[in-house]
Amino acid sequence: SYDLTQPLSVSVALGQTASISCGGKNIGSKNVHWYQQKPGQAPVLVTYKDDNRPSGIPERFSGSNSGNTATLTISRAQAGDEADYFCQLWDNSNYIFGTGTKVTVL
Amino acid sequence: EVQLVQSGAEVKKPGESLKISCKASGYNFTSYWVVWVRQMPGKGLEWMGIIFPTDSDTRYSPSFEGQVTISADKSISTAYLEWSSLKASDTAIYYCARKFTGYDSYFDPWGQGTLVTVSS
Repeated sequence: SYDLTQPLSVSVALGQTASISCGGKNIGSKNVHWYQQKPGQAPVLVTYKDDNRPSGIPERFSGSNSGNTATLTISRAQAGDEADYFCQLWDNSNYIFGTGTKVTVL
Repeated sequence: EVQLVQSGAEVKKPGESLKISCKASGYNFTSYWVVWVRQMPGKGLEWMGIIFPTDSDTRYSPSFEGQVTISADKSISTAYLEWSSLKASDTAIYYCARKFTGYDSYFDPWGQGTLVTVSS
């Protein structure tokens, strides 16, 4: 089965930039999507197909994908960005989620 | 507004059956697949299965095949997730979501989640 590995946690200072990685074999050849989940809430799509942003999602959220790593970048981090973030893709007829990363804004 | 509204929290005993629902509105229910995702307490997201309401074509994750049944009633724009005999390990939040067009596409929006607690 296909594994997606994310760091358990990422800390970022208020106003600075956070990068969350999602590692997988040749992930650059696949479409990767990212979700934000705040405590007690359902996941929300923040980027899709590597580097696209749904309407209503701030430009501060951006995605990239190449080689064996996809990355979600949060620029000018705000307190409201504190959440768990999950990457997701489709592989061999299965939908796979990453292990999840908890982002803390200091 | 595209919306998925799930049924309320459930408390069940091991061995009991359960069917939870996910009602869609704001879009053509028969044009998109609907997925179910499990989140065990304090854990990540796990894809369980997916259904195409037009013809009830259903696919399951190997981890959940035979453990649950996914169905849909297109006349009332509602998808279901069902257990015939619950276990304590089924305790989790279950989310439904709409899958956008394309086999490798994303899930948006999500329902608010249904908490299922299985305890004797």
